[in-house]
Amino acid sequence: RKEVEQDPGPFNVPEGATVAFNCTYSNSASQSFFWYRQDCRKEPKLLMSVYSSGNEDGRFTAQLNRASQYISLLIRDSKLSDSATYLCVVSTGRRALTFGSGTRLQVQP
Amino acid sequence: GAGVSQSPRYKVAKRGQDVALRCDPISGHVSLFWYQQALGQGPEFLTYFQNEAQLDKSGLPSDRFFAERPEGSVSTLKIQRTQQEDSAVYLCASSLVGDGEQFFGPGTRLTVL
Repeated sequence: RKEVEQDPGPFNVPEGATVAFNCTYSNSASQSFFWYRQDCRKEPKLLMSVYSSGNEDGRFTAQLNRASQYISLLIRDSKLSDSATYLCVVSTGRRALTFGSGTRLQVQP
Repeated sequence: GAGVSQSPRYKVAKRGQDVALRCDPISGHVSLFWYQQALGQGPEFLTYFQNEAQLDKSGLPSDRFFAERPEGSVSTLKIQRTQQEDSAVYLCASSLVGDGEQFFGPGTRLTVL
């Protein structure tokens, strides 16, 4: 079983739609949580950190449920430019990041 | 400003050849990480340096993989006697401090024939 599990998708949504991604992690010692975005054949880039209190950055909202070991990302008013793979990432504090396999989003006109 | 750079961007090797992949981190970044990303998967941790010290090499898949950062800046990942399963994108990341945001380079795409 992978340490970080994500639905690979693809999620095909129309422009303007709201879409939600989830992931679960197995290591209860995980301390830090992130969503990264990776465009095709590009490097991963940090989208946002995830906190237990939940946090929002414009159209993006991330939530963390430590009890259920569950992380979510909500994207509102989807844009064509949101098309990418979204990687759920955790860290135990060892410095190394543990990535999920990613969820592919395709926003269609 | 200059980000993390990696070279070569693409490398084709015959099975059994040795390869060396280079990473130039962001200037002043103390921590440097190597990850391996297979097709359709997320990156997987290989090794971590703080300055010139290799503090974690638990992700290196075999003793054919070796990494160094002798002067605490540029790092080289060496793979000896490459095998087909080594084909992947090798990503380097650096951060200002150990648990700071990691900035990734564009990766080296290694294909072993």
